[in-house]
Amino acid sequence: AQSVTQLGSHVSVSEGALVLLRCNYSSSVPPYLFWYVQYPNQGLQLLLKYTSAATLVKGINGFEAEFKKSETSFHLTKPSAHMSDAAEYFCAVSYSGGGADGLTFGKGTHLIIQP
Amino acid sequence: KAGVTQTPRYLIKTRGQQVTLSCSPISGHRSVSWYQQTPGQGLQFLFEYFSETQRNKGNFPGRFSGRQFSNSRSEMNVSTLELGDSALYLCASSLEGKRTDTQYFGPGTRLTVL
Repeated sequence: AQSVTQLGSHVSVSEGALVLLRCNYSSSVPPYLFWYVQYPNQGLQLLLKYTSAATLVKGINGFEAEFKKSETSFHLTKPSAHMSDAAEYFCAVSYSGGGADGLTFGKGTHLIIQP
Repeated sequence: KAGVTQTPRYLIKTRGQQVTLSCSPISGHRSVSWYQQTPGQGLQFLFEYFSETQRNKGNFPGRFSGRQFSNSRSEMNVSTLELGDSALYLCASSLEGKRTDTQYFGPGTRLTVL
């Protein structure tokens, strides 16, 4: 069964510092991986996705993630944090098989930006 | 293009009642998925509809049901509400519902069961 683990329910960084949000997956087949962001009282917005093309994926708002098969990881990074990055971040993996079996989400990481 | 819209945004119900939530996908999207988000369980997949047919279903009791109309709009229904059904219900649409398709999420419906 597919699963996603996000290390750290809360991550705090200073404005201008590197952001690193960790995600490890478990999948019996090559996974498709996604990072979503959720601001308070809003739905989820896609930051980036990996669908077996380039292992380094660039997304919106300066975020990027690298797919590392040997480490079963898909960590999200941003070189310089901005106050507007404060939000909840979710890593997700899609099931195998045809059609949409639904996304399996991690528990989320709350990113706090210190001024 | 307009995004995914969900109505109503907030609902308060009492135990034992039933509720219907509505979702309008992005124009041209044929797949609609529903998710439940709670502080304890996180985001969990409920079901997915494509061309008016339920293709996949998550691990939820039969009190949770849904349907999709010919214009791809979808509704989900929860009967005999329980306190534990209090959650944010998110709808997401995608073009064809393929694994590689991006799912676009609506703002959600916040359901409170008293």
